[in-house]
Amino acid sequence: AQSVTQLGSHVSVSEGALVLLRCNYSSSVPPYLFWYVQYPNQGLQLLLKYTSAATLVKGINGFEAEFKKSETSFHLTKPSAHMSDAAEYFCAVRVYNTDKLIFGTGTRLQVFP
Amino acid sequence: NAGVTQTPKFQVLKTGQSMTLQCAQDMNHNSMYWYRQDPGMGLRLIYYSASEGTTDKGEVPNGYNVSRLNKREFSLRLESAAPSQTSVYFCASSDIGRAVGSQKYGYTFGSGTRLTVV
Repeated sequence: AQSVTQLGSHVSVSEGALVLLRCNYSSSVPPYLFWYVQYPNQGLQLLLKYTSAATLVKGINGFEAEFKKSETSFHLTKPSAHMSDAAEYFCAVRVYNTDKLIFGTGTRLQVFP
Repeated sequence: NAGVTQTPKFQVLKTGQSMTLQCAQDMNHNSMYWYRQDPGMGLRLIYYSASEGTTDKGEVPNGYNVSRLNKREFSLRLESAAPSQTSVYFCASSDIGRAVGSQKYGYTFGSGTRLTVV
């Protein structure tokens, strides 16, 4: 069965610091991986997705993620945090041969001035 | 361009009451989904529908029923609400017909229904 694990339920950074949110996946087939962001009291918005093309994927709001097969990872990064990045972030994997997404438990990002 | 619309946005039920959460999408998507979100547990799939007239169980289907009324609408029903069903419910849709690599591939989520069962 495919799954994703997000390490760290809470991450705190200072404004301007590097953001690193961790996601590891488990899959016996090449996975399709996604990062979503949820702002308070809102639905989920797609940040970026990996669909077996380029391993470095660039998304919205300056975020990017690198697919590393050897490490079974798809970590989300942003060089310089902004206060508006404070939100909850979810990693997800598409179940093989379906359109179902399985989500990780989420990481809440806090950004301090 | 409304996307995915969920109603109601908030609801308080007493234990044992029933209710239906409504969801409609205007993007001509084939697939629709119901998720619940609970603190520390992420989003868990309740039911999904790959096309009109078909529905399948997800990770946590117990206590719920669904109905894919037509291509646009996918409703979630709680027949006898329990406090354990207090949660935020999200409806989503996607286009199963598009290649995953397509720029347009992905889920579109509604803004959620916050349900409290007392």
